[in-house]
Amino acid sequence: EMQLVESGGGLVRPGGSLRLSCTVSGFTLSSYSMNWVRQAPGKGLEWISYISSPSTTLFYADSVKGRFTISRDNAENSLYLQMNSLRAEDTAIYYCARGNWGSFQYFDVWGQGSLVTVSS
Amino acid sequence: EMVMTQSPATLSVSPGERATLSCRASQSIGSNLAWYQQKPGQGPRLLIYGASTRATGIPARFSGSGSGTEFTLTISSLQSEDFAVYYCQQYNNWPYLYTFGQGTRLEMK
Repeated sequence: EMQLVESGGGLVRPGGSLRLSCTVSGFTLSSYSMNWVRQAPGKGLEWISYISSPSTTLFYADSVKGRFTISRDNAENSLYLQMNSLRAEDTAIYYCARGNWGSFQYFDVWGQGSLVTVSS
Repeated sequence: EMVMTQSPATLSVSPGERATLSCRASQSIGSNLAWYQQKPGQGPRLLIYGASTRATGIPARFSGSGSGTEFTLTISSLQSEDFAVYYCQQYNNWPYLYTFGQGTRLEMK
């Protein structure tokens, strides 16, 4: 069974940092692009970052560009999101999602999410 | 800017009836459209991709149609487990990589 499990969320003060992890199982991570998507409380889905399967191509939404960094370790079956200079508006559930075969495809496997709360 | 607009925001339908959800793109996206279902406390689940292809394991009562800027998700006979929030998403329309609609909440009438 294909699974994505996020971890690393929690409460952080404005201006602080946090690193999210996404551990995958049931498929070969190196074969797929991966993404982070977030959902503010009671709101809709917002794509925030993409990484290609050999990590050569990275993209970010304008809302997180320059503050967040996506990375992956295929040998460890893990995806990461380093979040710096956090703001109250970054409070959300963060999901990792697998892109289907090819570049910039729809998301066919999702995790359950990890809650990040930015508050003083 | 690419904007995906879903309507209605909330749809009230009785079990066994048909539900029709709409999604409009601000620019033509061909067939690069996906639909997702999200239930409380869960991550989204892929239902439809390529505007009309059901994902693995998705029941035949779910169908998608449309191309260009107008898209529809139809659930032919609502089951209790279908009441959830539904999102459309455009993908791979450079330079707009991914954009979600704001969602339609499907509630039991």
